[in-house]
Amino acid sequence: GQSLEQPSEVTAVEGAIVQINCTYQTSGFYGLSWYQQHDGGAPTFLSYNALDGLEETGRFSSFLSRSDSYGYLLLQELQMKDSASYFCAVMGGTDKLIFGTGTRLQVFP
Amino acid sequence: DAGVTQSPTHLIKTRGQQVTLRCSPKSGHDTVSWYQQALGQGPQFIFQYYEEEERQRGNFPDRFSGHQFPNYSSELNVNALLLGDSALYLCASSLDSPSYEQYFGPGTRLTVT
Repeated sequence: GQSLEQPSEVTAVEGAIVQINCTYQTSGFYGLSWYQQHDGGAPTFLSYNALDGLEETGRFSSFLSRSDSYGYLLLQELQMKDSASYFCAVMGGTDKLIFGTGTRLQVFP
Repeated sequence: DAGVTQSPTHLIKTRGQQVTLRCSPKSGHDTVSWYQQALGQGPQFIFQYYEEEERQRGNFPDRFSGHQFPNYSSELNVNALLLGDSALYLCASSLDSPSYEQYFGPGTRLTVT
């Protein structure tokens, strides 16, 4: 089967840096994606890692270690609008996108 | 450029009834996936359609069925509704596979009473 683990909640203050970890177990692996979802909104694609290493997109970076079945999303210069749920998602060998249970990020002023 | 659209926005049904949800993919996308998202949970994959065929399916009973039309739009049908089917149903479109970058619609909030 496939499973993903993420912390349920993370809190931080504006301007800080926060890291959201994700560990996964999957049969077959294409890569790890990250999605952001604001309350009442649709998930929005943030990043994708197919190979080991760090991918940077503006204030957001994502990291993958395939040997450790581990990845993280790094959010820098936090803003109030970054308060949302963040999901890691694995593209397994069956081309199905499997989502984790999500991490709720709360940013305080 | 229109994104993914879904209808209706909200729906209330009674146990045992049937429901049809609709989705139009982002322009240029040919693959549609459906997800069920319970409150406080991540989206759960229901199935994926490509070239009018169901290509992949998650762990959902046969009460959940779908269809994709030649214009790539799609429908999700749920028969014999149960209280547990109450959730947000999300449609996502992408360009073929691997579909790691998916564009989600706003969802249909289904309440079964």
